[in-house]
Amino acid sequence: SQQGEEDPQALSIQEGENATMNCSYKTSINNLQWYRQNSGRGLVHLILIRSNEREKHSGRLRVTLDTSKKSSSLLITASRAADTASYFCAQFYSTLTFGKGTMLLVSP
Amino acid sequence: EAQVTQNPRYLITVTGKKLTVTCSQNMNHEYMSWYRQDPGLGLRQIYYSMNVEVTDKGDVPEGYKVSRKEKRNFPLILESPSPNQTSLYFCASGRLNTEAFFGQGTRLTVV
Repeated sequence: SQQGEEDPQALSIQEGENATMNCSYKTSINNLQWYRQNSGRGLVHLILIRSNEREKHSGRLRVTLDTSKKSSSLLITASRAADTASYFCAQFYSTLTFGKGTMLLVSP
Repeated sequence: EAQVTQNPRYLITVTGKKLTVTCSQNMNHEYMSWYRQDPGLGLRQIYYSMNVEVTDKGDVPEGYKVSRKEKRNFPLILESPSPNQTSLYFCASGRLNTEAFFGQGTRLTVV
């Protein structure tokens, strides 16, 4: 079943602004992952954060994890038009399950 | 190059005509999975496999079959497709607790 829920469902910003997406999940996790999907294409792995980590960075991406609140956030700094995509959080423990995603639109 | 390959990429078929969508990975992953993606519903899991000869139902298995006779292949079979199976399908593979890799997708239309 879909264990993660992203918020907001859609987000529209201007180039150069920061974008923040949130994910809430229901069960205990070993790690939480974020993926990106460009329109109609396969998902691409962005970043994995383990349950004993609180924050992780990769380029312009920053992910935080709060296991007490069962939530994670993905921050994209200085966004670009090329960041326009859907973003999903996922758990890959006994199986790989996704939320419904956040659609991000970055306008030039 | 590490990859997950799905075929075909696009398929239009008629109701009731059996079809198979193939999925192959070259990374020796134990785990493979099929998803369908429909507007507003996100990715819903159809079936998954933890290893050869081991398959389990996901959230929406009705109308689908799978097999895992070899580690690299995980075909999705629609014995009697219906219009409500029109969707975008993705295959994925990986090792538990690490990143997963996705195929490019198969856009299926059943008329």
